[in-house]
Amino acid sequence: QVQLVQSGAEVKKPGASVKVSCKTSGYTFTAHYIHWVRQAPGQGLEWMGWINPNSGGTNYAQKFQGRVTMTRDTSLSTAYMELSRLRSDDTAVFYCARIYCNEGLCYLDYWGQGTLVTVSS
Amino acid sequence: EIVLTQSPDFQSVTPKEKVTIACRASQSIGNSLHWYQQKPGQSPKLLIKYASQSFSGVPSRFSGSGSGTDFTLTINSLEAEDAATYYCHQSSDLPFTFGGGTKVEIK
Repeated sequence: QVQLVQSGAEVKKPGASVKVSCKTSGYTFTAHYIHWVRQAPGQGLEWMGWINPNSGGTNYAQKFQGRVTMTRDTSLSTAYMELSRLRSDDTAVFYCARIYCNEGLCYLDYWGQGTLVTVSS
Repeated sequence: EIVLTQSPDFQSVTPKEKVTIACRASQSIGNSLHWYQQKPGQSPKLLIKYASQSFSGVPSRFSGSGSGTDFTLTINSLEAEDAATYYCHQSSDLPFTFGGGTKVEIK
C-alpha cells in the first residue's frame, strides 16, 4: 500500500534551517510528483511547492521562493524539504503528499503523517 | 491565485442529520476541485476527487457536486466519527490553494 512516512518533530532557533524528509513506499517513487503543504497551529492548509522525483525539477510558491529547497534521493525513494532563515511564524506542521495525475487532471491522494517544526528562541 | 471560499466556517450537527458545505472559486476551475477531511492531530484524507468522484474506501454517505465555480460537499446521515474539519482544494492552476476549512461538530 502507498505510504509516506515523515521525519520526526524538530525544534529550531530563529534564523536556522530545517530539513524534513518524506520516505515513500508502495509505488514507483519517480512516477508521481511530491508536494509539500504547511499548516500553522489552528490554521488552514498552505501549498509550498512540488518536486518531480524523476528529474529533480521543482516549482515553489512565490511566498517561499528563496527560502525553500526541495530535493530527492531516488535510491531511498525519499523527498526532502528544507526551509531556511526560520522565523517564529514558520512554526507549523509540514506535510508531504503524493499527486496522482490522469490525462492532465491531478489530485493529492496520499499524505504523510506530518512533521511539527517549532521555531523558538 | 485562485481563492476558494468555504461556507460555513463552523457547523454543529446532530447525528443522522445531513450536512452541506459550500466552496466557491474566484474563477472557473472546471472540475479540478477536491475535498479532504482532517481530524485533530491527523493529516488530511481525500474524500472526493474531481468534484464528485468518491475516493477509494470512502463511505457512501459522502458525496460531492458542482463544476466551474460552485461546489458542494454533502454528508448524508452524519455519524459521530465524521467530526472533523473539511477542506476544499483546487488543482486547476498553480499555486494550488485550499479553502479556509469548515469545522463540523457533533451535538
